[in-house]
Amino acid sequence: DAGVIQSPRHEVTEMGQEVTLRCKPISGHDYLFWYRQTMMRGLELLIYFNNNVPIDDSGMPEDRFSAKMPNASFSTLKIQPSEPRDSAVYFCASRETTDQRETLTYNEQFFGPGTRLTVL
Amino acid sequence: AQSVAQPEDQVNVAEGNPLTVKCTYSVSGNPYLFWYVQYPNRGLQFLLKYITGDNLVKGSYGFEAEFNKSQTSFHLKKPSALVSDSALYFCAVRDPLGGYNKLIFGAGTRLAVHP
Repeated sequence: DAGVIQSPRHEVTEMGQEVTLRCKPISGHDYLFWYRQTMMRGLELLIYFNNNVPIDDSGMPEDRFSAKMPNASFSTLKIQPSEPRDSAVYFCASRETTDQRETLTYNEQFFGPGTRLTVL
Repeated sequence: AQSVAQPEDQVNVAEGNPLTVKCTYSVSGNPYLFWYVQYPNRGLQFLLKYITGDNLVKGSYGFEAEFNKSQTSFHLKKPSALVSDSALYFCAVRDPLGGYNKLIFGAGTRLAVHP
């Protein structure tokens, strides 16, 4: 498997423009996570999906951010309008639920390479 | 509050020497603990995890970590450091109050291994 795929790897845009980040999770993984990494705030969970359904979006900073997962192999994170403070590295991660609570196994998350967003 | 702390921003070690990257946690219930490594311009790569069982967990690239319940620690170790181990290391704990899937990440520790 190619792992988690993200595109673009780098995005430079001007303030006020719409930005769309894309993610393809590992095939068969039923959880998908979007994170943001900055020097000031570290790694923050923005939102996660289970079987294409958003489960927790409490980390989405404001209404300018939205995320969708139209099918099991594709997700987008959109920022409209973008602002300079949105500049960060955005990671997508996926996870497969074969956890067994009885035997206490728990699968780790696999991260994509990230998209470095610069908003001028 | 559920949290994980990495008390050192940076750890410097000479190649061939043992290394330790520290992590402490504060969560309710039994912790699920993870270590990830991030190389420049790359995503986070999973190294190892502790869920239950033996307190000494072995992972990728010769790394291991020791779970210590009484000290609420999960320090990452390697007997002999390589220059190629230089990277940013993150400790994470499953958030028991955030649903089954959310992880809380530490701020990261930059490991610098000098020749």
